[in-house]
Amino acid sequence: DTEVTQTPKHLVMGMTNKKSLKCEQHMGHRAMYWYKQKAKKPPELMFVYSYEKLSINESVPSRFSPECPNSSLLNLHLHALQPEDSALYLCASSQVGQGLNEQFFGPGTRLTVL
Amino acid sequence: GNSVTQMEGPVTLSEEAFLTINCTYTATGYPSLFWYVQYPGEGLQLLLKATKADDKGSNKGFEATYRKETTSFHLEKGSVQVSDSAVYFCALSINYGQNFVFGPGTRLSVLP
Repeated sequence: DTEVTQTPKHLVMGMTNKKSLKCEQHMGHRAMYWYKQKAKKPPELMFVYSYEKLSINESVPSRFSPECPNSSLLNLHLHALQPEDSALYLCASSQVGQGLNEQFFGPGTRLTVL
Repeated sequence: GNSVTQMEGPVTLSEEAFLTINCTYTATGYPSLFWYVQYPGEGLQLLLKATKADDKGSNKGFEATYRKETTSFHLEKGSVQVSDSAVYFCALSINYGQNFVFGPGTRLSVLP
């Protein structure tokens, strides 16, 4: 299984809502990532988890809260978002350690904040 | 710092034309290099990769060679198809893959 899955595919939420994005992989990867991608732009790194511990937080606002419950799952909890947070949210995973550790991406969740 | 520069396009070609998308990089240390492709409405798919100087990555008719002397990793394909229409991202990786730096992306449109 070389697939990263993400749910939901689309999400529309109001600024007062709380929602969560989910990501799952079964490739045995021990690093998982959240990216934000705006239209016609490259992905921007938000968070990196390595061995289920948060290793990189790219100064992301606290209204985004990541969680890695186990080595296969990654969540992104959303609360009090702003319309400018509307974007495609991509999850990725990779091996950890020496070697060519390419990242495998999921299809993304397209988020619209009203 | 680490950065990737690539032609932003859009690039418009006729079917069966030759494709080149230029990519150059700046990096501390010795990065791994990648090309990812993003089809409309989808996530990124790894197209090809290279880890050291003079390595050639290839996949689905696409090729790119890691040129350390010119810090480049240009993407080429001899004959493009309509189905190749997508956005192509050049990227580098340091710290064994946990720090990816993406270029701005090049939108390719192939006309029948």
